[in-house]
Amino acid sequence: EAGVTQFPSHSVIEKGQTVTLRCDPISGHDNLYWYRRVMGKEIKFLLHFVKESKQDESGMPNNRFLAERTGGTYSTLKVQPAELEDSGVYFCASSQERVASYEQYFGPGTRLTVT
Amino acid sequence: AQSVAQPEDQVNVAEGNPLTVKCTYSVSGNPYLFWYVQYPNRGLQFLLKYITGDNLVKGSYGFEAEFNKSQTSFHLKKPSALVSDSALYFCAVRDRRESGTYKYIFGTGTRLKVLA
Repeated sequence: EAGVTQFPSHSVIEKGQTVTLRCDPISGHDNLYWYRRVMGKEIKFLLHFVKESKQDESGMPNNRFLAERTGGTYSTLKVQPAELEDSGVYFCASSQERVASYEQYFGPGTRLTVT
Repeated sequence: AQSVAQPEDQVNVAEGNPLTVKCTYSVSGNPYLFWYVQYPNRGLQFLLKYITGDNLVKGSYGFEAEFNKSQTSFHLKKPSALVSDSALYFCAVRDRRESGTYKYIFGTGTRLKVLA
């Protein structure tokens, strides 16, 4: 079974540019999560999809961040325009059940560097 | 609000010695606790979880964790460390929202360095 995949693995952009991160969850997982880790800090929740619906986007930093999950399969996270403080590692995770005692399965992350 | 604390940024241990990576939590209600590990250039990998039952939970790669309700701790342990255990370890608690769905709240991570 393929795991959670993320693309790209690393992105370096200039302040003011736009970047789009992609996450492909494990097939059949309705729940998809985005997290971010800024260097040396904790991994912070950004948002949660159940299928194509945003269940919770309370962790999104501001309106420069836009997440979509069309068709309930893969998800994209767009940052426009990027700022220096957006640098960090963006993780995607998926899980199988809504009322879950099951663990979330994480992708390898996308390291975003904004210069 | 739910929270998790990992008081040590880094833990150094000699190969073959026992290791402990500390985690304390603050939750309302019963805690659902997790440990994840991140190896270099890899994603987070699930190690173990505590939901209910025995306070000593066994997980992958020979790791175990002890749930201590009175001390609100969930320390990760291994009897004999390997150099290959060197990685970044994250403790997490599951936060249940009013909608009935869940998210993780993570600690800041502890870098474990096992010295040969």
